[in-house]
Amino acid sequence: GAGVSQTPSNKVTEKGKYVELRCDPISGHTALYWYRQSLGQGPEFLIYFQGTGAADDSGLPNDRFFAVRPEGSVSTLKIQRTERGDSAVYLCASSTTVGQPQHFGDGTRLSIL
Amino acid sequence: LAKTTQPISMDSYEGQEVNITCSHNNIATNDYITWYQQFPSQGPRFIIQGYKTKVTNEVASLFIPADRKSSTLSLPRVSLSDTAVYYCVLSGSARQLTFGSGTQLTVLP
Repeated sequence: GAGVSQTPSNKVTEKGKYVELRCDPISGHTALYWYRQSLGQGPEFLIYFQGTGAADDSGLPNDRFFAVRPEGSVSTLKIQRTERGDSAVYLCASSTTVGQPQHFGDGTRLSIL
Repeated sequence: LAKTTQPISMDSYEGQEVNITCSHNNIATNDYITWYQQFPSQGPRFIIQGYKTKVTNEVASLFIPADRKSSTLSLPRVSLSDTAVYYCVLSGSARQLTFGSGTQLTVLP
């Protein structure tokens, strides 16, 4: 498709488990961003990549969160030892390059039981 | 990061023009003003972006005064399907977008 693709669309898991969330950006977009959105709030920045490297990870809440983009295209957000407070919608966005309008996927709704 | 302030909610009727104003008193010289629309269970959708004066595209217009301390998103002749949350966001030197709580627009029949 032409847009940002995120999988899975929904993920339910138990507290303490490990999860991986995948983002497939728009083809050719070099910048990729992860955000987290809680109910009733705007998205909050987590991390962004320019190419393969994490250019800014200042929004990651703690060291249980990690993201990679090994080939400069698909990215995976990884959460270890999940907690109930990690429940949220995780959004991915991409842009042609940093500073250009960001285009969002529909997110992964993560529920930690 | 510069912050934005928008009304929490607005109601309108079908066919009317809707103007949503955003305040950004501390906007930086290299900040652009971007508006996003978000429907439930979907990601934010880019609507329009501008730096100064007026920008128009097929869905909206964006008015920015000379001092750039505010901006107004104008939606002509809204329909029920325009009911959504609208976010005003500054983007420029900061790579990440900083979203506020947005404006819930409800279009009534």
